[in-house]
Amino acid sequence: GAVVSQHPSWVICKSGTSVKIECRSLDFQATTMFWYRQFPKQSLMLMATSNEGSKATYEQGVEKDKFLINHASLTLSTLTVTSAHPEDSSFYICSARHATSTDTQYFGPGTRLTVL
Amino acid sequence: RKEVEQDPGPFNVPEGATVAFNCTYSNSASQSFFWYRQDCRKEPKLLMSVYSSGNEDGRFTAQLNRASQYISLLIRDSKLSDSATYLCVVNKGAREKLVFGTGTRLLVSP
Repeated sequence: GAVVSQHPSWVICKSGTSVKIECRSLDFQATTMFWYRQFPKQSLMLMATSNEGSKATYEQGVEKDKFLINHASLTLSTLTVTSAHPEDSSFYICSARHATSTDTQYFGPGTRLTVL
Repeated sequence: RKEVEQDPGPFNVPEGATVAFNCTYSNSASQSFFWYRQDCRKEPKLLMSVYSSGNEDGRFTAQLNRASQYISLLIRDSKLSDSATYLCVVNKGAREKLVFGTGTRLLVSP
């Protein structure tokens, strides 16, 4: 099946710093990538939908100025958590949808962020 | 009301048992349905899509009841390796976003 990678797999940072997470589709072109967040014992919550070459669409309650998303190419999307705080500590997972697919999303392995 | 609701469990079953999970969804316009499996601290992985006619994949059987807006997953002959959280997922149609349930945790013991 299709492969999606994320980097880094985990990160620990100090409060107030910014963290960038990369999501790459390794063997297919992804016109759409999705960013999810999962807190312990909760389900995945969609944060934003990222379309290549256009602005991301954020879900209600997600601050677009805090969670900066860039989808500059068909194989790479980045999520930057700006001025991170302890409450931003979570498991961030991206998924990518093939350019010709309608439903199937391929998930990356996730990035565990801990903000001290 | 949540868009997708599941019993969080955990369901504790012995090896070899048959276990069933249920899921209800609130949006009658939902068109696609899936079961995903998520292991601890890992990403979700697609287990199977759910079709109106019901479908089976080895020990796993999924069924959909559109009238009751209800989806089920049946696991026969449980294995230790089946221990995981099972996520019910729906979307409204092609190229729509996926909506995840909170998951049902399954623990299979020797």
